Amino acid sequence: AQKVTQAQTEISVVEKEDVTLDCVYETRDTTYYLFWYKQPPSGELVFLIRRNSFDEQNEISGRYSWNFQKSTSSFNFTITASQVVDSAVYFCALSETMIYNQGGKLIFGQGTELSVKP
Amino acid sequence: EAGVTQSPTHLIKTRGQQATLRCSPISGHTSVYWYQQALGLGLQFLLWYDEGEERNRGNFPPRFSGRQFPNYSSELNVNALELEDSALYLCASSLAPPYSYGYTFGSGTRLTVV
Repeated sequence: AQKVTQAQTEISVVEKEDVTLDCVYETRDTTYYLFWYKQPPSGELVFLIRRNSFDEQNEISGRYSWNFQKSTSSFNFTITASQVVDSAVYFCALSETMIYNQGGKLIFGQGTELSVKP
Repeated sequence: EAGVTQSPTHLIKTRGQQATLRCSPISGHTSVYWYQQALGLGLQFLLWYDEGEERNRGNFPPRFSGRQFPNYSSELNVNALELEDSALYLCASSLAPPYSYGYTFGSGTRLTVV
């Protein structure tokens, strides 16, 4: 069965600290996609990154970086020099093969609530 | 470019009533997805529509239904409302698989059943 686990329910840091949000997934598919979304208090899910199972390159986007390790089925997200505006709930999600008629289903982790204090 | 829009923002209904939630996808997106975010249950996949047809359904009872219109907008109907249906309902849109590169979500409709 497919499953996404975000073991950290809540994390609290002080501004400018680095923070890593963990994500571990389970799937039997060889082709799959992993996502990270940010949900601010307004409720909208904001897309941060999509990574396919064949691309294990780490990615950096400004203060955000992602570490994908297939060997440990992990897709961790690091925020460098955190800011108060980073406070939100962050979701990791898994989507299996995008073949038509099997697509459309994202399996979300339970989310990690990040609080960045000034 | 307009994002995914959902209406209404908030909806309060009485147990046993019906609720109708609406979603307009991003222009050019043919797939619409519905998710339920209930307290303590996380985000659960509800329905996927593409080209007017229901393509996939999550583990929800038949009283959760919907449709997609020719302009690709979508409606989610919840019949015989129960207290546990209280949740944030999120709609997302994308190009149809295998061309979808990510899902764009709306801000959601918060349904409260009293």
